[in-house]
Amino acid sequence: GQNIDQPTEMTATEGAIVQINCTYQTSGFNGLFWYQQHAGEAPTFLSYNVLDGLEEKGRFSSFLSRSKGYSYLLLKELQMKDSASYLCAVRALYSGAGSYQLTFGKGTKLSVIP
Amino acid sequence: EAGVTQFPSHSVIEKGQTVTLRCDPISGHDNLYWYRRVMGKEIKFLLHFVKESKQDESGMPNNRFLAERTGGTYSTLKVQPAELEDSGVYFCASSDSNYGYTFGSGTRLTVV
Repeated sequence: GQNIDQPTEMTATEGAIVQINCTYQTSGFNGLFWYQQHAGEAPTFLSYNVLDGLEEKGRFSSFLSRSKGYSYLLLKELQMKDSASYLCAVRALYSGAGSYQLTFGKGTKLSVIP
Repeated sequence: EAGVTQFPSHSVIEKGQTVTLRCDPISGHDNLYWYRRVMGKEIKFLLHFVKESKQDESGMPNNRFLAERTGGTYSTLKVQPAELEDSGVYFCASSDSNYGYTFGSGTRLTVV
C-alpha cells in the first residue's frame, strides 16, 4: 500500500519563504506531483518530479529524493494569494490493474499572513 | 481550451435516493479518472477509464457505485442507493497521457 505524510497546517509571512515537506512509502514509484487547491476549487498542477533533484518554476520549486522517500515544495516571495492547501501525490504502478494510480496525502493548509 | 467540467457542483440527497454525477473531460483526453475526498481524509482514487473502457476500478467502494463513459467522451458516476458515508467531494480528472492530470472543481455530495 501507499503512505504519504505531510504537515496538516503551516503559517508563513507575506514575502517570506516556506518549505512544505512530504514523505512517502510506496512500491512501483513513478513520479511525485504537487497540487495547489483553493477552497471549493479544482486542484491545480504545480510540479512533477520523477528523478532526484530540484525542479524550479518561477516562485515554486520542488525537490525529490527517491532513496529517502522525500519531497518538498518551496514557495518563495509568498503572496497572500498563496494561501491554499498543497497536496502531495505519488503516482505508482499497480501491476494487478496495469494502471498508474495517484495516491494523495491529506494536504497542507498554508496560511499567509501580512 | 476548456477545462474539466463537473455537474452538479453541489447535491444534497436523502439516504436511499439515487444521484448521478457527470464529468466532461478536456476534449481529446482518452484518460478519465474519478476520485473522492471524504471529510477529513485524503483524496482517494476510484477508477480510471481509457476511452470507454474501465482500465482500473479497484478503488470503487462497493456495487452501489456505477461509472460509465459511453462513447469515450463524458462520464457519469451513479450512486444507488446513496448512504450517509457516501458524502464527500467527487473529483474528476482527465489526461492525454499518464502524466498530466487536469482536475475538475468537484461535486460536493451530501447525503442526509
